[in-house]
This record gives sequence, structure tokens and C-alpha cells, in this order.
Amino acid sequence: GDSVTQMEGPVTLSEEAFLTINCTYTATGYPSLFWYVQYPGEGLQLLLKATKADDKGSNKGFEATYRKETTSFHLEKGSVQVSDSAVYFCALNRDDKIIFGKGTRLHILP
Amino acid sequence: DGGITQSPKYLFRKEGQNVTLSCEQNLNHDAMYWYRQDPGQGLRLIYYSQIVNDFQKGDIAEGYSVSREKKESFPLTVTSAQKNPTAFYLCASRGLAGGRNEQFFGPGTRLTVL
Repeated sequence: GDSVTQMEGPVTLSEEAFLTINCTYTATGYPSLFWYVQYPGEGLQLLLKATKADDKGSNKGFEATYRKETTSFHLEKGSVQVSDSAVYFCALNRDDKIIFGKGTRLHILP
Repeated sequence: DGGITQSPKYLFRKEGQNVTLSCEQNLNHDAMYWYRQDPGQGLRLIYYSQIVNDFQKGDIAEGYSVSREKKESFPLTVTSAQKNPTAFYLCASRGLAGGRNEQFFGPGTRLTVL
């Protein structure tokens, strides 16, 4: 069945460092791909999405490109801030449901 | 402002008691979902509903029940049959019109069974 695999955390970086969180997927067809972010004690917020191959989603300085050839959707940010500390979920849609990865916890040190 | 509300934020119950978690949305979304989140396990789908008076089991429906009597509301009952109910519960909704397929989440309810 369809699945999403993302790098295990926690990931700890210093402020202003470059961020990459890897995400790969297994799916038939061409699902939409998402990154969600969850701040402590809160629900998930949609961070960005891409709906077809080679699309780049971007928001708040974060970017991810839908790579069909490598079945990947890696999340990147050029300069992280302490406020980016959260759990990040990669996900794909399948029919009327969304399949989530297990999440990657990110800690940013001042 | 449109959004999804879940109440209460924290809920404590004694073992063996049923408890109902509220989820309301004013986004005019057709589909609604319930997830359970445990540490290190991501989100697992409990139940979902595409339309009023209809719902489907997700991956971990045992010990839970739902109803969808109104488009805006999708309450979840955690029954005494659920063996390990302590968790963070998230409700989500999705609009089916316009080809949009992302889900919008509420703030969650943390249930602790004592």
C-alpha cells in the first residue's frame, strides 16, 4: 500500500543553519504531497503542498519539490529560526484520505 | 473566522467510562476525520465521514464510535472497549469542491484515562 517515510529525529540545528528533512513515498499514480507542521500542544498546520511532478511548494521560507523520479519531497529552509522548532510531517493523499509519515522533531538552538 | 474547534483541550476520565470528544467546523467542509496521535507513531486514522449520516472506519476504529448528524459536527466517543485510550486526538476537515485535497486540523484534545 501507499506509504511515507521520513527521516527520524530529533534534528538539532543552530539558528541560521540550513535545514533538510528527507521524505520519500511509495504510491501508485500521482498523489498530491504535503508538509504539515505541529507546534507543541497544537494541531497540525499545512505548511506547503505540491500536486504534480516538478511542482515546488513554498511557504515561510520553506520549500519542497515533487520529484517523481526519486519519489521524494524533501523539505528545505535556508536559514532556520528558533521559532521553527516543531514536529514536521510529510504526507500524501490517497483517494479521500491522507497518509502521514511518523514526523520529524526539529530543535533549533539560539 | 472560519475554523475547526475541539473541546475540551484536556479531558480526564476514569477507566471504564465512555467519553465523547467534540469537533465542530464552520468551513462548510463536506469531509471530516478523527486521528489519534501517540508519541513517535505519527497520526492514525480512526473514522472519517464524507457526507452527513455516513462514515467509514479507519485503521484503528475498534473501541471508538462516531456520528455525523450535521455537516458541521463529528463527535467521537471513546468507549470502555478501547484498551489504551490515553492519547492526543485530532479532528480534521476537508472541502471536496474545487479539487482541493488538503485537510485542516483542529487544536486537539488530550485525553487521559486514570
